[in-house]
Amino acid sequence: DADVTQTPRNRITKTGKRIMLECSQTKGHDRMYWYRQDPGLGLQLIYYSFDVKDINKGEISDGYSVSRQAQAKFSLSLESAIPNQTALYFCATSGSGQEETQYFGPGTRLLVL
Amino acid sequence: SQQGEEDPQALSIQEGENATMNCSYKTSINNLQWYRQNSGRGLVHLILIRSNEREKHSGRLRVTLDTSKKSSSLLITASRAADTASYFCATASRGSGYSTLTFGKGTMLLVSP
Repeated sequence: DADVTQTPRNRITKTGKRIMLECSQTKGHDRMYWYRQDPGLGLQLIYYSFDVKDINKGEISDGYSVSRQAQAKFSLSLESAIPNQTALYFCATSGSGQEETQYFGPGTRLLVL
Repeated sequence: SQQGEEDPQALSIQEGENATMNCSYKTSINNLQWYRQNSGRGLVHLILIRSNEREKHSGRLRVTLDTSKKSSSLLITASRAADTASYFCATASRGSGYSTLTFGKGTMLLVSP
């Protein structure tokens, strides 16, 4: 079984709709992250959480919100989706040290019409 | 904004040849990591090099780090068709308290049989 899972894997929605992307992990990590990737570009950090009570904005948090329901679960919401939020979204986890590597989920491909 | 910038953007070689990718960054770092992404999938960690290290090996991978030039290189020796992927550098920088990674835009490597 995969250590980091994301649901749904693909989603098509319309402008103005609310959508939630979910991430679960079985690695026992405290830290979780949400990134978006646009074609030909690297990853941009949306939000991150270092434990259940900690939520931090990344470089592109506008238009997004998150919820850390438990150590193993971190959800990303688009309250009112817009076409330029069409992208590939990745969840990742890491341990709590200074030299931790990140473990990525398989991604959610989102299309906003 | 992205901390790391990979060069070249794309690289096409034959099986058995070596592939070299470069990464430049802007601020002081704690460590630099390289990740691999197969088309549309989640990133996979390859190797981490600390700021006080100059070279590191892992199998067919060799990473160098020059902190005076703020640059790193990833060498894949004896490449295989299965190495075809995008490769990203990521830095853990002082500005974020070394708490998050900043990814570059990646180098797309194509290895032809």
